[in-house]
Amino acid sequence: EDKVVQSPLSLVVHEGDTVTLNCSYEVTNFRSLLWYKQEKKAPTFLFMLTSSGIEKKSGRLSSILDKKELFSILNITATQTGDSAVYLCAVGLNGNQFYFGTGTSLTVIP
Amino acid sequence: GAGVSQTPSNKVTEKGKYVELRCDPISGHTALYWYRQSLGQGPEFLIYFQGTGAADDSGLPNDRFFAVRPEGSVSTLKIQRTERGDSAVYLCASSPIAGSYNEQFFGPGTRLTVL
Repeated sequence: EDKVVQSPLSLVVHEGDTVTLNCSYEVTNFRSLLWYKQEKKAPTFLFMLTSSGIEKKSGRLSSILDKKELFSILNITATQTGDSAVYLCAVGLNGNQFYFGTGTSLTVIP
Repeated sequence: GAGVSQTPSNKVTEKGKYVELRCDPISGHTALYWYRQSLGQGPEFLIYFQGTGAADDSGLPNDRFFAVRPEGSVSTLKIQRTERGDSAVYLCASSPIAGSYNEQFFGPGTRLTVL
């Protein structure tokens, strides 16, 4: 059975802290791994990763994939209250399906 | 519009009733996905369309759920004989073409509550 596990389930940090969110997966026919930020209802796209060891970066956010150990991390540096959200990891499978993890709820307090 | 839109934003119905949820994808996007998200969970795949045809409906939980996309644009998710367990946020996403290497653009969702 395909499985995507995110950790921690929730996290509370102070503004300015750095956080690392984890996503591990056990799936057949891996194609891609995507990170989304979900604040209200609609998840918004952050990164897509397909190759091991190549860091994707956007401002204070960065992500990397390890296809040998089957995990990805999402780093957020110098966190701000606006980073408070649920961060979802999704794995793209052969056959065009996407399998989501349960998410990590991040709360950044002033 | 510029993004994916879904209507209604909220729907409250009684157990046993029929509901329809609508999704308007981004213009020109040929792939359209439906997901269901329960509280504290990630989105769960239901069905996706490439054009007018349902390319994969393996995520539909049972035969009370059905979806159509007759003209390859707007899609409607239909739920018959609703049950309390159907309560969730139903998310729609579109993509220029189907594929695991393509970003999906999500709508704001419809929150369905079955009393």
